[in-house]
Amino acid sequence: EADIYQTPRYLVIGTGKKITLECSQTMGHDKMYWYQQDPGMELHLIHYSYGVNSTEKGDLSSESTVSRIRTEHFPLTLESARPSHTSQYLCASSEYKGGQTNTEAFFGQGTRLTVV
Amino acid sequence: TQLLEQSPQFLSIQEGENLTVYCNSSSVFSSLQWYRQEPGEGPVLLVTVVTGGEVKKLKRLTFQFGDARKDSSLHITAAQPGDTGLYLCAGDARGSNYKLTFGKGTLLTVNP
Repeated sequence: EADIYQTPRYLVIGTGKKITLECSQTMGHDKMYWYQQDPGMELHLIHYSYGVNSTEKGDLSSESTVSRIRTEHFPLTLESARPSHTSQYLCASSEYKGGQTNTEAFFGQGTRLTVV
Repeated sequence: TQLLEQSPQFLSIQEGENLTVYCNSSSVFSSLQWYRQEPGEGPVLLVTVVTGGEVKKLKRLTFQFGDARKDSSLHITAAQPGDTGLYLCAGDARGSNYKLTFGKGTLLTVNP
């Protein structure tokens, strides 16, 4: 069982509110990711990090921001939520092994966000 | 431009049938991964293929990595309703700086 946790699991919030989705992992992984996914559809990478104080934009443009102040914590923030932000947000982490670029990614259960 | 193209996008079959899903790219990958995702959950890793031409078997699932390391396939023998889910291939292409990118996935439904 993966030690990566996301809270809340479900969130319904009004337009214009600021929200933070939490993601924590206890595996000491350097690499962390945020994906956005609609039901049964593809995962879109929106942010990733390869260590403390590193954050990068993913392939899908997103109005959200992330921070990586501690290895285990990678929160995602939306300053002003809109209905177009309604989606599932999945956090993942993986270990960096020198010379091995593709290691198993462990996913949290996701946060299903609905903006009304 | 999609880095990893998966086909078919949707597949609905009867229990007992065999199936193959594909993952193709114009880029070379040091390795590719296959994940399976059930509704409301995060993806879970099935296998990682590393060597060009490699074949890995996991019970009724057979994974193959292309010789040129640009494509992969997943073959399921005698599919069961429990195989239903979204199958995703993923990889980080050379020079991608640790980005783990997923294909669009194949949504498989196995009917009893």
